[in-house]
Amino acid sequence: DIQLTQSPSFLSASVGDRVTITCRASQGIGSSVVWYQQEPGKAPKVLISATSTLQSGVPSRFSGSGSRTEFTLTISSLQPEDVATYYCQQLHIYPLTFGGGTRVDIK
Amino acid sequence: EVQLVESGGGLIQPGGSLRLSCAASGFTFSDYWMTWVRQAPGKGLEWLANIKRDGSEENYVDSVRGRFTISRDNANNSVFLQMNSLRAEDTAVYYCARDLKYLYCSGGNCNTVGLAMDVWGQGTTVTVSS
Repeated sequence: DIQLTQSPSFLSASVGDRVTITCRASQGIGSSVVWYQQEPGKAPKVLISATSTLQSGVPSRFSGSGSRTEFTLTISSLQPEDVATYYCQQLHIYPLTFGGGTRVDIK
Repeated sequence: EVQLVESGGGLIQPGGSLRLSCAASGFTFSDYWMTWVRQAPGKGLEWLANIKRDGSEENYVDSVRGRFTISRDNANNSVFLQMNSLRAEDTAVYYCARDLKYLYCSGGNCNTVGLAMDVWGQGTTVTVSS
C-alpha cells in the first residue's frame, strides 16, 4: 500500500501568514493527489484535485503543487476560517489512502 | 441541490452486522462511482471501498475485505455498505462520497483515473461495543 506522510501534524500560525503543508508518498503517484479540508464536526470538503486544480468556490489563497512523491498545499494568507484539519489523498492505486492529517490553528 | 444522506448507523455488539445506506439526490447517480470512507473517533480518514457506476467493479481496503460489501441500486439512487463480523475497531463515523473519475487515453490504451471525492454526506456513526 502507498503510505502518505503529512508534515507537520499540527501548526499554529498568525492571520496573514503563509502556510505550507507537505505530503510525501512512499512511492511515485504521478499527479493523482487530492487535498481536503475538514472543519471540526463536519464532512471533508475537496479543495484541490490532480495536485493543483482548485475546486470551484475554493478561495484562491489555496494552491497545490508537486509531483511523484512530494506534494504541497499552500495557504498564501491564513484566515480565521481556515482553522481545520487538512488531508492529502492519493488516487493513483488501490487501496486509496489518506495522509494522517495536519491540524491548522490560529496563533 | 447535490446531496448524499447516510443512514443505518447505531450501536452494535462485536460480531454483529449492520447495513449502511446512502441516498443520493441532485445528480445522475448512475453516472458516478461511489465510495465509503470512515473516521474513527479523534483519528484520520480511511478509505474503505468503492463501486463502479454499473456495479460491475468493487475495490476494498484489506482491513474490511471479506467482511464488508459495497453495493448499489441505481433505480433508487442508493449505495450500501453491508458490514459483517464487526469489531470494536470498526467504531467510526462512516461517510459516503461521490467518487469522481475520468478516462485517460494514451497510445490507444484507456484507463479510469481517480480525480476526487467531490461530494460527501454528513456521516452516520457506528459504535461497536458490548
